[in-house]
This record gives sequence, structure tokens and C-alpha cells, in this order.
Amino acid sequence: DAGVIQSPRHEVTEMGQEVTLRCKPISGHNSLFWYRQTMMRGLELLIYFNNNVPIDDSGMPEDRFSAKMPNASFSTLKIQPSEPRDSAVYFCASSPPTSGIGELFFGEGSRLTVL
Amino acid sequence: QQPVQSPQAVILREGEDAVINCSSSKALYSVHWYRQKHGEAPVFLMILLKGGEQKGHEKISASFNEKKQQSSLYLTASQLSYSGTYFCGTEGGFGNEKLTFGTGTRLTIIP
Repeated sequence: DAGVIQSPRHEVTEMGQEVTLRCKPISGHNSLFWYRQTMMRGLELLIYFNNNVPIDDSGMPEDRFSAKMPNASFSTLKIQPSEPRDSAVYFCASSPPTSGIGELFFGEGSRLTVL
Repeated sequence: QQPVQSPQAVILREGEDAVINCSSSKALYSVHWYRQKHGEAPVFLMILLKGGEQKGHEKISASFNEKKQQSSLYLTASQLSYSGTYFCGTEGGFGNEKLTFGTGTRLTIIP
């Protein structure tokens, strides 16, 4: 079975450019999470969706970040405009329907470098 | 609020035991444990639920003290494959159903 699929795996861009990260969750999973990982702050939850609806976006750093989940099989995280401090590994994870939060299945991550 | 893990790093010889602690300032519904190897994604180890139920890894054990809002992960007879960074994740329950990860504990096993 395919796991969580993220693209691109690596992205290098210049400050001010728009960045779009993509995620395809595991079929049948109804919760989707976007995390950002840096050495300084570890794994930070940015936003999570349940049944395609954003439930908590309190971790989104600022208005430059936005996330969408137009259907159960696709989500995007957009940064516009990007800044060097956005450099990090961005993970998408999905989990199956369960009471509370179940096992998270992580994608391989998108490593973003903003110059 | 991010749970706090201790120690931050530990080095063990193969076969030795380790305990990793996770502490939260908030009431918890569940505690999750993940392991991440360098350059890879975090991988699920186990979930401990309020009330004592556990789900997960057969060879790794953990405890969850609900009153103290603490959890500990026990790695016995460590193997080289146990090396990596261990994260606890805490869930606050109804109305706060999001997984917040701790600061991480880097475990290095040497032969």
C-alpha cells in the first residue's frame, strides 16, 4: 500500500518566491497534519484537518502561510512570500478514523531551503 | 504547550537499558511515542491512553502517569537499531485534539 506521498522532496528557492508543498494522504485516513521541523524548534504542528475541514491552525506562523484540503486525497501548504527563516523540513502526516488521535503515518518530508 | 523531554541525549552501549521521560503542564488524554532516524520521517512506536490502554510496539514498554501528566519510555537490552531521536507527543483530549511533540531525546547506541 502506498504511504503518505509528499512533493517536492527538495525545494530551493529565493526569498520572496511562492512555495507550494503537496501531500497525498493514505486512502481512508480522515485526519491530515502539517508539521515543520527545525533544529531550534523541533516538530511544530502548523495545522490539522479532519474530514477535509481545518480544525486548528493556531500553529501557522503568520499570514504568509496558508493550507488547503480541497478533497480527501490532496492537501497543499503554501508560503507566499517565502523568507530564509522558513527553511525547514515540512512533514505531512495522516491518521485513520479513531477516537482521539491515532497512529500518525508521516510522509518522507519536503526539505525547503530559502536563500 | 510543548511537552518537555529528558534527557536531551544519551549514549549507551549495546545491551544497556534506557529510560526517556516526557512531562506536560496540561492534563492529557493520551501520550504517543515516535522514533526518528537521521534523514527519515518519524515512525510510530506506541500510544498510551488515559485509563491504561496501550497500543503499539511489543518490545518497547512505556508508562503513563495521568495525575502527574508524565510518561516514560523504557528501552531494555538496547540494540544498534534503537539509535535515533525519540519524541513524545501529547494530546489534550476533546476540544484539544492535536498532537504536540516534545523536544526530543537523541539516543546513540554504540557496539
